Amino acid sequence: GAVVSQHPSWVICKSGTSVKIECRSLDFQATTMFWYRQFPKQSLMLMATSNEGSKATYEQGVEKDKFLINHASLTLSTLTVTSAHPEDSSFYICSAPHPGTGGYEQYFGPGTRLTVT
Amino acid sequence: GDSVTQMEGPVTLSEEAFLTINCTYTATGYPSLFWYVQYPGEGLQLLLKATKADDKGSNKGFEATYRKETTSFHLEKGSVQVSDSAVYFCALSDLAGSEKLVFGKGTKLTVNP
Repeated sequence: GAVVSQHPSWVICKSGTSVKIECRSLDFQATTMFWYRQFPKQSLMLMATSNEGSKATYEQGVEKDKFLINHASLTLSTLTVTSAHPEDSSFYICSAPHPGTGGYEQYFGPGTRLTVT
Repeated sequence: GDSVTQMEGPVTLSEEAFLTINCTYTATGYPSLFWYVQYPGEGLQLLLKATKADDKGSNKGFEATYRKETTSFHLEKGSVQVSDSAVYFCALSDLAGSEKLVFGKGTKLTVNP
């Protein structure tokens, strides 16, 4: 089946540094990808929609200058957490709708655990 | 705004027990409804979906019926297995043609042999 990968699976960084997380669709092209944040015992919160060839669309309350999204190709979107702080520690998940399903079926990456010390 | 409410977990059952996980939603339009499952160490996977009222989604023995009158999409399985242990998320997509999903908080299911 269709696969979406994320790299790294976990990362620890110091406060004030930036971290880049990659999301790749391995066997299909995705003009749109989504980035979510998941807190412990809480639901996934949509952060932004990544659009290939254009700017990302951010959800209300998400700082676009802090969470930089670049959709570099039809198979790759990156999320960069800039000047990370401990409150940015979370589980970040990406997804991509499969074009063969009319967009209804989204394939999710396994997530990236970010810990900011 | 749109929202999804699902029953609090965790849920612990014995093998072959009947499972129900309740899910209700609030939406301004006519949403599509989904159940996603997250097995330990893996990404979310679509379990089943329903795109209009009275539709029944089914997969792997799981079923859910889109009930517009009660704004519900409860997940059921007649006989659970140990391999069904996972976190289950109810979700909706509101705008026609939109791929944005609104998720419930997830319900962790543990099935004991």
